[in-house]
Amino acid sequence: SQQGEEDPQALSIQEGENATMNCSYKTSINNLQWYRQNSGRGLVHLILIRSNEREKHSGRLRVTLDTSKKSSSLLITASRAADTASYFCATGSYIPTFGRGTSLIVHP
Amino acid sequence: EPEVTQTPSHQVTQMGQEVILRCVPISNHLYFYWYRQILGQKVEFLVSFYNNEISEKSEIFDDQFSVERPDGSNFTLKIRSTKLEDSAMYFCASSNGKGPDQPQHFGDGTRLSIL
Repeated sequence: SQQGEEDPQALSIQEGENATMNCSYKTSINNLQWYRQNSGRGLVHLILIRSNEREKHSGRLRVTLDTSKKSSSLLITASRAADTASYFCATGSYIPTFGRGTSLIVHP
Repeated sequence: EPEVTQTPSHQVTQMGQEVILRCVPISNHLYFYWYRQILGQKVEFLVSFYNNEISEKSEIFDDQFSVERPDGSNFTLKIRSTKLEDSAMYFCASSNGKGPDQPQHFGDGTRLSIL
């Protein structure tokens, strides 16, 4: 299965700290995506990284991809209370296959 | 910014009854999707729809499920004879194209509770 699995399952930090979430997957991929889901809301696409990319930035988000280790990480710098959400990695060329997610709580 | 809207936000239905979940995708999008998320579990793909026909479906999308685009704006998911295990959040999504370069935009979901 291409399905990604996030780690840790839950993360609790103080506002201003950095949050790092990891994703591991089992088979070769063409790309990997990260999504956010606020409580009671739908998923929001955050960032796409292709298999030939090692790092990508978008605002306070930094995503890395290590295809040799079949892993990716999402770093949120200078976290804010509004970053509180679940974060999912997804693999799949056409239909994203989601992991169970990391639940991030940022305390003000 | 355009949004995918879903109605109702919460649907309570007796087991065995039919239920229709409604979605209005983003107006210029061409690809439409349904996903479900059972409480505490992963978001699972159900079906994708393009050019008025199903383009891909998962094992979950069995004969009790159907999708329809009855007019130019709505996209519906019908469950014919609901079961207790159909209780979940159902998310509709749409995209302008196929593949990861055309990210899917999700609605806020319909919570379906089967009694």
